Amino acid sequence: ETGVTQTPRHLVMGMTNKKSLKCEQHLGHNAMYWYKQSAKKPLELMFVYSLEERVENNSVPSRFSPECPNSSHLFLHLHTLQPEDSALYLCASSQVPGQGYSPLHFGNGTRLTVT
Amino acid sequence: ILNVEQSPQSLHVQEGDSTNFTCSFPSSNFYALHWYRWETAKSPEALFVMTLNGDEKKKGRISATLNTKEGYSYLYIKGSQPEDSATYLCAWAGNMLTFGGGTRLMVKP
Repeated sequence: ETGVTQTPRHLVMGMTNKKSLKCEQHLGHNAMYWYKQSAKKPLELMFVYSLEERVENNSVPSRFSPECPNSSHLFLHLHTLQPEDSALYLCASSQVPGQGYSPLHFGNGTRLTVT
Repeated sequence: ILNVEQSPQSLHVQEGDSTNFTCSFPSSNFYALHWYRWETAKSPEALFVMTLNGDEKKKGRISATLNTKEGYSYLYIKGSQPEDSATYLCAWAGNMLTFGGGTRLMVKP
């Protein structure tokens, strides 16, 4: 299997639930990212990890908690979400972060619905 | 506010037409400009990463130009095909990678 794999593809959760999104990259990249796309909005960067260290936290509410146990895996733990958190969550990886010289490789995303 | 703007938001063309779209970005603190193609039900796919003023990149029928001094990039598609139907995203690498809202292209056979 190659590229960036995200699971699950679809997730419906209540506001009191706890769930996790998983991302795995098989490209040997050093950086991993979480992006959020809400309806009719551009992709918004949530978190960046470089060599398993978090280097960017773009003012994301604490109900979203990332975890990067190694350079190939990235999780997004979700708890007490709000309906407005319903969106497409995309994971990406790249060779190096920093000044954006490396293209991002994206997964297919998780479509999250909060009821 | 550092905005990346793309125009038009959507575009319908006939098969065989050539087309182009625009990405506008801040001209200060520039490191790179990315273009991605995002087909429905798939993941965004990188087309180009451009770093130098005056850069021109080409991939098959798709090409892009870059003007960092005035803060814009054009993406051109020559002889559009139905399989070119997708949303085309640009992203400006300043302090972090900031995406535009995309141009949705629909090519009618």
